[in-house]
Amino acid sequence: DAKTTQPPSMDCAEGRAANLPCNHSTISGNEYVYWYRQIHSQGPQYIIHGLKNNETNEMASLIITEDRKSSTLILPHATLRDTAVYYCIVRPALSGGYNKLIFGAGTRLAVHP
Amino acid sequence: EPEVTQTPSHQVTQMGQEVILRCVPISNHLYFYWYRQILGQKVEFLVSFYNNEISEKSEIFDDQFSVERPDGSNFTLKIRSTKLEDSAMYFCASTGPPYEQYFGPGTRLTVT
Repeated sequence: DAKTTQPPSMDCAEGRAANLPCNHSTISGNEYVYWYRQIHSQGPQYIIHGLKNNETNEMASLIITEDRKSSTLILPHATLRDTAVYYCIVRPALSGGYNKLIFGAGTRLAVHP
Repeated sequence: EPEVTQTPSHQVTQMGQEVILRCVPISNHLYFYWYRQILGQKVEFLVSFYNNEISEKSEIFDDQFSVERPDGSNFTLKIRSTKLEDSAMYFCASTGPPYEQYFGPGTRLTVT
């Protein structure tokens, strides 16, 4: 079973920041937090990952709490194309490239005009 | 930007028939995976493959399933005798350092 808890759905106005929360209270010290998204029925798309520091890339920012029990994915200026299901996944860090991803139900983000 | 490709995009087959789903991973990746997603359900892990052998498989991946890397570029999933419940989207993924998994667009398998 997935080790994360996410709200089933969220709405966001176009151009505004979308803040997607994730609880991972049982995360281990060697586990990273990964975020993927799935637009309609396409293949999941990697967004970002982090261990304990905040991370930012061209797609999003990831804020991880100091106790690492929760995190927030931030899409700074959501567009209609960001409408998707967003998955928060915890996964062992670099212990081998063959670690599977365990997907939960994710958060269905709807960006509206 | 390199990407994972999958063929065909849609496969229709009759129950009991064999199907082969094909994937071309990103060229310098060494780890390969198959996942499936039944309509309206979660993405489920099927199998991971490294160094020409299965690294891990799920309970779903029974004797009806097999994987192969027949040459330096293709990675295939074979279902020997399809069942109605095998109808799903099948996603191939590959990874290399630093280990983000990149997914293909999927093959929609419909078993009638």
